Amino acid sequence: DTGVSQDPRHKITKRGQNVTFRCDPISEHNRLYWYRQTLGQGPEFLTYFQNEAQLEKSRLLSDRFSAERPKGSFSTLEIQRTEQGDSAMYLCASSLSRGRKGYGYTFGSGTRLTVV
Amino acid sequence: AQKITQTQPGMFVQEKEAVTLDCTYDTSDQSYGLFWYKQPSSGEMIFLIYQGSYDEQNATEGRYSLNFQKARKSANLVISASQLGDSAMYFCAMREEKQGAQKLVFGQGTRLTINP
Repeated sequence: DTGVSQDPRHKITKRGQNVTFRCDPISEHNRLYWYRQTLGQGPEFLTYFQNEAQLEKSRLLSDRFSAERPKGSFSTLEIQRTEQGDSAMYLCASSLSRGRKGYGYTFGSGTRLTVV
Repeated sequence: AQKITQTQPGMFVQEKEAVTLDCTYDTSDQSYGLFWYKQPSSGEMIFLIYQGSYDEQNATEGRYSLNFQKARKSANLVISASQLGDSAMYFCAMREEKQGAQKLVFGQGTRLTINP
């Protein structure tokens, strides 16, 4: 198992374009999370899935953002009509729903989005 | 609402010295978990250590220990015998430990630089 994979690692897009990011979690992990990290800040929670069900969404996730996890495996995060304020690192993490409380979050290396 | 405060934007330490990174938190929950993550320049968030609010002893993981003072709502990370590879951003985070609560709330981070 190679951990959590995110693709692409970097994305530069023009304002107004749509972008889509992909996250492949650890195969046996049934929970998947998306976080956004702007420069100089800690990550902020966006949304999480248990299997294919999206169970919680942050108020940060505006109508322009949509996340899916078909079949409870990989996930995609789409941003429509990108704005310069969307420039950030988008981090994906996965975990099991059972196990020791403190463990289990494995993060990917993130997708860095730059909107010009 | 939960809040994490890290008051040290940057820390500079000589190699082999011990270093303490500060973290205070605010929550009205009785059951919660506290985490420390390391984020090198490559971007991934690496789990370091966990402390449950009901754990009676301070957590330790190799060179990392967590100085948990519940009454003061602080959860400082102590790194003993620092190494050049410890240079990175460090984030304190917390999570409610109850069914359905999965998101981590992060602080703003501390950039640690280890000097040779």
